[in-house]
Amino acid sequence: AQSVTQPDIHITVSEGASLELRCNYSYGATPYLFWYVQSPGQGLQLLLKYFSGDTLVQGIKGFEAEFKRSQSSFNLRKPSVHWSDAAEYFCAVDNNNDMRFGAGTRLTVKP
Amino acid sequence: GAGVSQSPRYKVAKRGQDVALRCDPISGHVSLFWYQQALGQGPEFLTYFQNEAQLDKSGLPSDRFFAERPEGSVSTLKIQRTQQEDSAVYLCASRRQGAWETQYFGPGTRLLVL
Repeated sequence: AQSVTQPDIHITVSEGASLELRCNYSYGATPYLFWYVQSPGQGLQLLLKYFSGDTLVQGIKGFEAEFKRSQSSFNLRKPSVHWSDAAEYFCAVDNNNDMRFGAGTRLTVKP
Repeated sequence: GAGVSQSPRYKVAKRGQDVALRCDPISGHVSLFWYQQALGQGPEFLTYFQNEAQLDKSGLPSDRFFAERPEGSVSTLKIQRTQQEDSAVYLCASRRQGAWETQYFGPGTRLLVL
């Protein structure tokens, strides 16, 4: 069955520390991969996406993600977290117009 | 247009009542999606339109849910005889066309069924 897994429900990091949010997917072929962020009361905003080519993709707000086919992973990273990054992060996979989201990882940033 | 808009932003319904949720996609966007997001969960796909054609409705949870996009622009998600388990945020997204394009999400309609 097609699925997207975000193993970490909640992560807390200190401001200025590095961040990595994990995402694993289960699909037959390489789907299109996305990371979205959702702040309280806000809509989903696209951070970055991967379709093909370079496996390291750059996004907005200093985020990047690396696609690893052998691990079926698409982890999101940021070298230095800002307090404004506190939000819910969703990994998503689009397989033939069927977008599936992970359950999300809630990021808390400590001052 | 500026972005995807949805109305109403909040809806309180009594159990058994019918509700209609509206989505105005970005002008010129061919594809339109509806999702249901329960509290503390990720969005779950409900249905997908390409222009006025509903190409996938596999995510609609029951026959009480009905979506339409008669002129290929505005879409309405209708829920008949609402139940408490229908309480969720309903998100609409639009996209220019292909799956490689970005889906732009609206702010959602928060439905509470009492």
